[in-house]
Amino acid sequence: AGITQSPRHKVTETGTPVTLRCHQTENHRYMYWYRQDPGMGLRLIHYSVGAGITDQGEVPNGYNVSRSTTEDFPLRLLSAAPSQTSVYFCAIRVGGEGYEQYFGPGTRLTVT
Amino acid sequence: AQRVTQPEKLLSVFKGAPVELKCNYSYSGSPELFWYVQYSRQRLQLLLRHISRESIKGFTADLNKGETSFHLKKPFAQEEDSAMYYCALSGNNNDMRFGAGTRLTVKP
Repeated sequence: AGITQSPRHKVTETGTPVTLRCHQTENHRYMYWYRQDPGMGLRLIHYSVGAGITDQGEVPNGYNVSRSTTEDFPLRLLSAAPSQTSVYFCAIRVGGEGYEQYFGPGTRLTVT
Repeated sequence: AQRVTQPEKLLSVFKGAPVELKCNYSYSGSPELFWYVQYSRQRLQLLLRHISRESIKGFTADLNKGETSFHLKKPFAQEEDSAMYYCALSGNNNDMRFGAGTRLTVKP
């Protein structure tokens, strides 16, 4: 499954807007955004079950998403905060009945 | 609400010893359970899923609905098993929730 994330690393200042990009090449319906923090595991931020449809996960506050196309699912931080320093993973659901989530390489975001 | 609990943040065993990584869940419906693994500097990847009832790299996991558990087991741990392991649950609303993870270290 082809899934890419950009940028791979970013350092930004508190209060600045940030967009993390996720792009898939195989027309999968379901896409997800997680953040990974030590001791907290992976926490679901937002997800989408198809173009034009998004839903909140466990920790949606401070993040926005949109799904105008099947291929792209950007994650936006309108005003970055130090608490949003994390590694962000995008994932797609692949497979039918025996599905799984396939993860992107991740984006390491540091908010100073 | 669905929740996944992995009670052990760290687990250390010697090579050749049995290993069990615990996972408990709470969900009112019929969940699908997964184990994912993240080796050093690699992306998260699926290890096994309960509906397949498969054994991958010697690991197995049985879904126990009575105890709401999905523990991961391997009879003889290998050094290359050292990694971060995550239990995950997918419910009817198409999201997937992960536990906090257990870091397994297999010592020589």
